[in-house]
Amino acid sequence: NAGVTQTPKFRVLKTGQSMTLLCAQDMNHEYMYWYRQDPGMGLRLIHYSVGEGTTAKGEVPDGYNVSRLKKQNFLLGLESAAPSQTSVYFCASNLGIAVSYEQYFGPGTRLTVT
Amino acid sequence: GNSVTQMEGPVTLSEEAFLTINCTYTATGYPSLFWYVQYPGEGLQLLLKATKADDKGSNKGFEATYRKETTSFHLEKGSVQVSDSAVYFCALSDRTGNTPLVFGKGTRLSVIA
Repeated sequence: NAGVTQTPKFRVLKTGQSMTLLCAQDMNHEYMYWYRQDPGMGLRLIHYSVGEGTTAKGEVPDGYNVSRLKKQNFLLGLESAAPSQTSVYFCASNLGIAVSYEQYFGPGTRLTVT
Repeated sequence: GNSVTQMEGPVTLSEEAFLTINCTYTATGYPSLFWYVQYPGEGLQLLLKATKADDKGSNKGFEATYRKETTSFHLEKGSVQVSDSAVYFCALSDRTGNTPLVFGKGTRLSVIA
């Protein structure tokens, strides 16, 4: 049981390049999330998904797209990277948005856009 | 909307000192409350939680009590260790089930020997 895994762990992009971050979970969780973490800003929700084939916008969705074609995977795409997207990205999953469901986090992807 | 406010860091303590990290919240109804911990280079992991007023969550020597009257969920530990050095996040879950977790900005704790 690997929990939540993220690929890649590190990436450096040039402005304007595109990339996709992959999140995978093996816990049969319905809900998945993408966050970014910046110094002094805590965690900010980018997009989330309440089930296979669904996505919803979070607090800071601009410049990102997501897809949830399979229940176990949640992809985060950057179509045209900008330096403001330099951050650490975390994926998380849980059984659902309910009273006490714990979120499980991946180890993070550190992205630098130059 | 729902929000969480936690004390600004960083907090630096000597080993065996008493720790308090303040957390207050704004929410409609009666949310569930959580503390997550992030060790260096890792993702967040759940430390403890409380789902109703006056509940006390506890784990690894840490405690927090859900205080509805003061809308607070302060994290405490009687004697910190160097291994407790991490970033601590307070979070709430709306009981309506319509919104994801809302996190505070995090408090960095450094414990020195």
